[in-house]
Amino acid sequence: AQSVAQPEDQVNVAEGNPLTVKCTYSVSGNPYLFWYVQYPNRGLQFLLKYITGDNLVKGSYGFEAEFNKSQTSFHLKKPSALVSDSALYFCAVSKAGGGNKLTFGTGTQLKVEL
Amino acid sequence: EPEVTQTPSHQVTQMGQEVILRCVPISNHLYFYWYRQILGQKVEFLVSFYNNEISEKSEIFDDQFSVERPDGSNFTLKIRSTKLEDSAMYFCASRDRGASGYNEQFFGPGTRLTVL
Repeated sequence: AQSVAQPEDQVNVAEGNPLTVKCTYSVSGNPYLFWYVQYPNRGLQFLLKYITGDNLVKGSYGFEAEFNKSQTSFHLKKPSALVSDSALYFCAVSKAGGGNKLTFGTGTQLKVEL
Repeated sequence: EPEVTQTPSHQVTQMGQEVILRCVPISNHLYFYWYRQILGQKVEFLVSFYNNEISEKSEIFDDQFSVERPDGSNFTLKIRSTKLEDSAMYFCASRDRGASGYNEQFFGPGTRLTVL
């Protein structure tokens, strides 16, 4: 079975400060890892993914994430937060083969304040 | 930029009625999915579909649920006899194979299903 943990329900950060949203995963075999963002009353928008290769992946809107196999983590980061980054962030895991279903974490509400 | 579309945006139905949720995936995509999100909870996988057959389904996806790709463009989710607990936001997603053999899934805006 595969699972994702997002230990923080909410993260608050001041605009201009760096942000981190944490994610750890569990999957048999090699993981495929994803971050999605959800704005109110909207669908899920893809931010970035790790499939293979460099552990640091860069995505949309200045976000990046670091894959750490030993810690089974895939934390989302951004060097300088914007108020417009405020949204619900979901980490998801999949594995090779089969239907490649995504298993999501419970989500972390990011609030960026002036 | 191509996107996944879903209709209707909101569906209200009486318990026991059949509903069909419709999705138009991105045109060159080969893999199709349905997920649901009960209010305030996480997004849950329902079913994946490839090459005109179900490739995986969750325990939620029981005999009351079915999927179909009737005409090569639409992808539908049918709930035969709705229950109160089926009230949720239903998301359709699609993806292509990608150079690495796997690519990200693109999600539609969702259909909010309310069962009364």
